[in-house]
Amino acid sequence: DADVTQTPRNRITKTGKRIMLECSQTKGHDRMYWYRQDPGLGLRLIYYSFDVKDINKGEISDGYSVSRQAQAKFSLSLESAIPNQTALYFCATSDFVDTQYFGPGTRLTVL
Amino acid sequence: RKEVEQDPGPFNVPEGATVAFNCTYSNSASQSFFWYRQDCRKEPKLLMSVYSSGNEDGRFTAQLNRASQYISLLIRDSKLSDSATYLCAAAGGTSYGKLTFGQGTILTVHP
Repeated sequence: DADVTQTPRNRITKTGKRIMLECSQTKGHDRMYWYRQDPGLGLRLIYYSFDVKDINKGEISDGYSVSRQAQAKFSLSLESAIPNQTALYFCATSDFVDTQYFGPGTRLTVL
Repeated sequence: RKEVEQDPGPFNVPEGATVAFNCTYSNSASQSFFWYRQDCRKEPKLLMSVYSSGNEDGRFTAQLNRASQYISLLIRDSKLSDSATYLCAAAGGTSYGKLTFGQGTILTVHP
């Protein structure tokens, strides 16, 4: 089984809808991250969490919120989706040595 | 100026060729560096970590030049299966616990 899983893997939604992307990990890592990837822009950090009680904004947090329900679960929400949030979203985990391990990604399309 | 910059390429090389990518970083406090490989529409996967002057793993060699603030990735005897996007990332210093990614370099190895 994969160490980092994401659901859903693909989602098409409409402008204004609320969307939640979920991430679970079995690696036992404390640190979890959410990124988005757009063509030509690389990976950009949305939010990150170093433990269950720690949530931090990343480079591009506007329009997003997160919830760290447990050490193994980190969810990303788009409260009111807009078309420029169409992207590939990745969850990642890491231990204290900074190496990050990525989930398979969620392809989100906002119409 | 982006914190981590890569030549986006694309690099098109024949099988068996040696190819090198450079990645520059602007945060002199960065402590650790990573090369990830990403296949089309898939998650980034760790290729190499670089904590001191360099690292070697089979056909892949990564080198770090702190004075000039760049890391390089050398691929020898290129294979068709090496075709992918290569992402470099920097961590540490003021970016504690976070990775900053470059936009990626596209490599295509042709017969």
